Amino acid sequence: DTEVTQTPKHLVMGMTNKKSLKCEQHMGHRAMYWYKQKAKKPPELMFVYSYEKLSINESVPSRFSPECPNSSLLNLHLHALQPEDSALYLCASSQDIAGGSYNEQFFGPGTRLTVL
Amino acid sequence: AQTVTQSQPEMSVQEAETVTLSCTYDTSESDYYLFWYKQPPSRQMILVIRQEAYKQQNATENRFSVNFQKAAKSFSLKISDSQLGDAAMYFCAYGAGGTSYGKLTFGQGTILTVHP
Repeated sequence: DTEVTQTPKHLVMGMTNKKSLKCEQHMGHRAMYWYKQKAKKPPELMFVYSYEKLSINESVPSRFSPECPNSSLLNLHLHALQPEDSALYLCASSQDIAGGSYNEQFFGPGTRLTVL
Repeated sequence: AQTVTQSQPEMSVQEAETVTLSCTYDTSESDYYLFWYKQPPSRQMILVIRQEAYKQQNATENRFSVNFQKAAKSFSLKISDSQLGDAAMYFCAYGAGGTSYGKLTFGQGTILTVHP
């Protein structure tokens, strides 16, 4: 199984809502990532988890809260978002964060988020 | 800090023809990996090809090949016998060796249009 799955595919939420994005992989990868991608732009790294511990937080606002309950699952909890947070949110995984070949990241299809 | 530059925001090619997408990067490291990712419209980002910096031989994957010029820090992607399904946004990405915490540095992307 070489797939990263993400749910939901689409999400519309108001600025006062609380919602969560979910990402799952069963490739035995120990590193998982959240990216934000605006239209026709490259993905911007938000968070990196390694062995279920947060390794990198790229100065992301606290209204985004990541969680890694186990090695296969990654969540992104959303609260009090702004309209400018509307974007495609991509999850990815890789074998490890050790660099080199381990950087080969497998991406999920993304969740398209609209904040009203 | 590493930077990746894709100087062609858009490219087009006729079906069955060959097209080359450019990518240059800047790094002071000697151990690194380079990737080309493809993101079709509204579809998943997938890895097209990977090149290890320590390998002199250019990577090839079926109709996709790279021209890796380490001294010039250039990493172009050649697509031969272009097909309609090759239409997508292509991102060049750099991954450091060693402890890079899984970070990939992406270029700004090149939108490839394939004309029938």
